[in-house]
Amino acid sequence: NAGVTQTPKFQVLKTGQSMTLQCAQDMNHNSMYWYRQDPGMGLRLIYYSASEGTTDKGEVPNGYNVSRLNKREFSLRLESAAPSQTSVYFCASREQGVGSYEQYFGPGTRLTVT
Amino acid sequence: AQSVTQLGSHVSVSEGALVLLRCNYSSSVPPYLFWYVQYPNQGLQLLLKYTTGATLVKGINGFEAEFKKSETSFHLTKPSAHMSDAAEYFCAVSDRNNFNKFYFGSGTKLNVKP
Repeated sequence: NAGVTQTPKFQVLKTGQSMTLQCAQDMNHNSMYWYRQDPGMGLRLIYYSASEGTTDKGEVPNGYNVSRLNKREFSLRLESAAPSQTSVYFCASREQGVGSYEQYFGPGTRLTVT
Repeated sequence: AQSVTQLGSHVSVSEGALVLLRCNYSSSVPPYLFWYVQYPNQGLQLLLKYTTGATLVKGINGFEAEFKKSETSFHLTKPSAHMSDAAEYFCAVSDRNNFNKFYFGSGTKLNVKP
């Protein structure tokens, strides 16, 4: 049981390049999330998918797109990377249902845009 | 939107001393409350949570937190710090009406001196 996995662990992009961050969970959770973490700002929600087939914007969605490929996988795409998107990106998942309130996090992807 | 305030971006204690990390939230309706810990270059791990019931909740690694509605607070404590407690700690809240919206504080880095 690997929990939440993310690939890649590190990535360096040039301004204007595109890339997709991959996330998968093996806990059969319905809901999945993408966050970015910047120094002194905690984690901010980019997009989330409450269930397979649905996605919604979070607090900071501009410059990103997401795809809920199936119940296990939720990807985050940067179409044209900007230096302001340099950050650590975390994927998380949560089981829907009474009593299941906490989110489980992956190890993160450290992205640098030059 | 909720806001979460963590007083003190850096806290330093001696090994064996009391650890107190502060968290206040803004909602007039008590949210669900969480503390997460992040070790260097890792994802976030749930320490403890408050959803309902007893206001003093115990978590892993000897940590506990008390929900005080009148003070809109959820401070994290540990009676005796250990070197392995050195990490960054995040307080988070979730609306009772929308479990998908997590709001994180900006984090507190705990340093433990020998």
